[in-house]
Amino acid sequence: DQQVKQNSPSLSVQEGRISILNCDYTNSMFDYFLWYKKYPAEGPTFLISISSIKDKNEDGRFTVFLNKSAKHLSLHIVPSQPGDSAVYFCAASRGFLYSGGGADGLTFGKGTHLIIQP
Amino acid sequence: DSGVTQTPKHLITATGQRVTLRCSPRSGDLSVYWYQQSLDQGLQFLIQYYNGEERAKGNILERFSAQQFPDLHSELNLSSLELGDSALYFCASSVQGLGNEQFFGPGTRLTVL
Repeated sequence: DQQVKQNSPSLSVQEGRISILNCDYTNSMFDYFLWYKKYPAEGPTFLISISSIKDKNEDGRFTVFLNKSAKHLSLHIVPSQPGDSAVYFCAASRGFLYSGGGADGLTFGKGTHLIIQP
Repeated sequence: DSGVTQTPKHLITATGQRVTLRCSPRSGDLSVYWYQQSLDQGLQFLIQYYNGEERAKGNILERFSAQQFPDLHSELNLSSLELGDSALYFCASSVQGLGNEQFFGPGTRLTVL
């Protein structure tokens, strides 16, 4: 049973435009969400995170939106650059609010391969 | 560079054998996590250690075990290896109490022949 789903295996976006990557989750115990970027033969690189007490978090070109009622989050990249081409993973964890943080492993989606076209 | 190091980078072994994967966390991080990435299952959480103690368990097989040493480095031991254990194994570390941002190492690619 997949608790974190990324339904688009790939996404192609023109350079300079907005990239929107989507993620859905089913476990209502999840209270912390993260996005990671991964290049082949490298480990995932942390991008941005959001806790369930917020609905938006912004860091430079990256913004994550959380809709708790829909159990949906999205990552917006504006403007998209060629170096953004990679696989993006959505991840979730529980226990941030209730145990002081950092008390659980991450549950990952299967990833979306973002391709930025020049 | 995340600051998390893993050795070896590649490991090729035979079925039935035992291997040890090593991880050094970022300086100051007390938590170490192990993940397995296979083609069909994606990235799966195996186990977490915090300051030498086991903290959380995920989908870790009984043939697999881990430990964290006083200097905070960690080892993942895989025994009675099967073909299906071929995968990328990642270690991640984090600072407790500052959210769940985990920083990943470059991984060890295990091939079981």
